[in-house]
Amino acid sequence: AQSVTQLGSHVSVSEGALVLLRCNYSSSVPPYLFWYVQYPNQGLQLLLKYTTGATLVKGINGFEAEFKKSETSFHLTKPSAHMSDAAEYFCAVSDTGNQFYFGTGTSLTVIP
Amino acid sequence: NAGVTQTPKFQVLKTGQSMTLQCAQDMNHEYMSWYRQDPGMGLRLIHYSVGAGITDQGEVPNGYNVSRSTTEDFPLRLLSAAPSQTSVYFCASSGGVATNEKLFFGSGTQLSVL
Repeated sequence: AQSVTQLGSHVSVSEGALVLLRCNYSSSVPPYLFWYVQYPNQGLQLLLKYTTGATLVKGINGFEAEFKKSETSFHLTKPSAHMSDAAEYFCAVSDTGNQFYFGTGTSLTVIP
Repeated sequence: NAGVTQTPKFQVLKTGQSMTLQCAQDMNHEYMSWYRQDPGMGLRLIHYSVGAGITDQGEVPNGYNVSRSTTEDFPLRLLSAAPSQTSVYFCASSGGVATNEKLFFGSGTQLSVL
C-alpha cells in the first residue's frame, strides 16, 4: 500500500513570506501525486497534481510543487503567503489500484 | 452545476442506531468514494466504486456498507452506529477510474454518535 508523510502538522508564516509544506511518499511504482486544500467547513479542492512529464507543477493561487523521485518528495511552495492561504493542506498519492492515500494534513496559519 | 451533494450536513445518533449518508453527483462520474476525516489522521478511504454495480473496500471499511445501483448515487450505510464512528464524512467522485483524475469532494457530513 502507498503511504504519505506530511512533516509538520502546523506551519505558521508571516504574510509575504515563503510557504513550504513538506510531503514524502512511499511507492514501489511511479505514483500520481496531488495537493488538496481544505478551507474551514468545506470539502477538499485540488491545488495541483503530478502525473507524468514536467517535474515542476504549477497550481492555482500561485502554488507549485516539485516532484523529486530520488527524494520521494512532492513539497508544496508559494513565494509569498497571503492571508487567504490560511487553510488545511493535504498531500495525496495514488497508484493504479483505484485508491487515493492522503497525508495527515498541515494546517497553515498566516500571520499579518 | 451542483457537483457532489451530501446530505445531511449534521447528524447525531445514539449507539446502535442505523442511518444512511447520501451522496449524489451530477457529473456522470464513474468513480465515487467515501472518506472519513479524523483529527491528526487525515482522510481515510472507507469504500469506493468504479461504476454502477461495482464496489470495493478501502482502508477502514468495518461497520459501513455501500451499494451503487446508479451512476449518480453512492449511499453509505451505518448499520449499528458506534462512538468510534464519530467523524466527518466526505464523498468524492472523479471522471475516470484511473486515479490520475482529480477528486471532486462534497461539503461533508458531521456525524456524532453518543
